[in-house]
Amino acid sequence: AQTVTQSQPEMSVQEAETVTLSCTYDTSESDYYLFWYKQPPSRQMILVIRQEAYKQQNATENRFSVNFQKAAKSFSLKISDSQLGDAAMYFCAYRSSSNTGNQFYFGTGTSLTVIP
Amino acid sequence: GAGVSQSPRYKVAKRGQDVALRCDPISGHVSLFWYQQALGQGPEFLTYFQNEAQLDKSGLPSDRFFAERPEGSVSTLKIQRTQQEDSAVYLCASSLTQGFGNTIYFGEGSWLTVV
Repeated sequence: AQTVTQSQPEMSVQEAETVTLSCTYDTSESDYYLFWYKQPPSRQMILVIRQEAYKQQNATENRFSVNFQKAAKSFSLKISDSQLGDAAMYFCAYRSSSNTGNQFYFGTGTSLTVIP
Repeated sequence: GAGVSQSPRYKVAKRGQDVALRCDPISGHVSLFWYQQALGQGPEFLTYFQNEAQLDKSGLPSDRFFAERPEGSVSTLKIQRTQQEDSAVYLCASSLTQGFGNTIYFGEGSWLTVV
């Protein structure tokens, strides 16, 4: 099974500053999807950004962008101009494009605190 | 509805009780997933439905766990003879089609505490 590793259990950032959350994964597949999900205290997982492995260009969504390094199997999330509402748990997730793609594999999460 | 709805939001069960957790996916969504999230962990896959067919149940931890989606819309996750290790948030998610790149939408989860 694929594994997803988030090595930063907790991170903090000053409001309006930039923070980067790390994620690495292990796979032997060449085609797959990567996601970052935000989970506020309500527990609802909210999609932040996604990346198709076959695309070399890094995905961006407003203040959120990724640094996708396929060879290194690294998928970090950069949050620019951090806002108080960004405070939450962030989960990195992997989804295969093969027949096993029913499963998302999640990391253990990074708790982000935004300091006013 | 506008989003994935789960009920009950909170459930306290005595060890040995049976529980049933309900998921109403977004209307028209073909794919439905159940995940289990223990405290301090990421969600872990339990099972997957495409319409009414349960195509993957490889993540169900024991035969005490059973899921169904008889009419291809609402799904129920049943846990028999609950144990303390079953305490977790149970997340339901749905997506419009089974395409692997499709976005899946999560509900707010059902928090189960077994005492």
